[in-house]
Amino acid sequence: QLQLQESGPGLVKPSETLSLTCTVSGGSISSSSYYWGWIRQPPGKGLEWIGSIYHSGSTYYNPSLKSLVTISVDTSKNQFSLKLSFVTAADTAVYYCARHLGRAENWFDPWGQGTLVTVSS
Amino acid sequence: EIVMTQSPATLSVSPGERATLSCRASQSASSKLAWYQQKPGQAPRLLIYGASTRATGIPARFSGSGSGTEFTLTISSLQSEDFVVYYCQQYNNWPLTFGGGTKVEIK
Repeated sequence: QLQLQESGPGLVKPSETLSLTCTVSGGSISSSSYYWGWIRQPPGKGLEWIGSIYHSGSTYYNPSLKSLVTISVDTSKNQFSLKLSFVTAADTAVYYCARHLGRAENWFDPWGQGTLVTVSS
Repeated sequence: EIVMTQSPATLSVSPGERATLSCRASQSASSKLAWYQQKPGQAPRLLIYGASTRATGIPARFSGSGSGTEFTLTISSLQSEDFVVYYCQQYNNWPLTFGGGTKVEIK
């Protein structure tokens, strides 16, 4: 059964870079057709897609965050990562990683359990 | 960007009754619409994709319908574990976008 697990610092200072990693187990990140995405949820609010990556390195980003976001993949470790630069308090959220099929079937399943990142000095 | 609007924000229903949740897209999403359920402290769980196809292991009391700009999630007979939050998501266009959610509460 495929499982995803987010990891990274739970506290980041304003203007610094948020860095998270998603480790995939029970399957290969290099499986054809699948994309690997990041979604966030501010406390008490809704969901926002951040961006996604294919194992080849091809990426899609949300235009609202594109200039600040970098998503990368390490197939040797079965991991993909998120970097969000120049964070502010508005970036405080639970960050989830999830898989989607690609080929225009971009619903998310499964999801990681999520990790709370707080931006504060 | 396709903006997804869910209504109502909160729905009060008695256990055993039917719940009807709405999701509207600002432009056509075709049938590229998914529904998720989110329990407190947990990640969202996929319920429906392709507007009407139940995901693996999802009970038959959950059903989805609609296409274009109007979509509906129906829960035919609410169980205690169904009183949580539901989100819709379109995947017809990039960026992928979610609705603001509907909280189903006990009446």
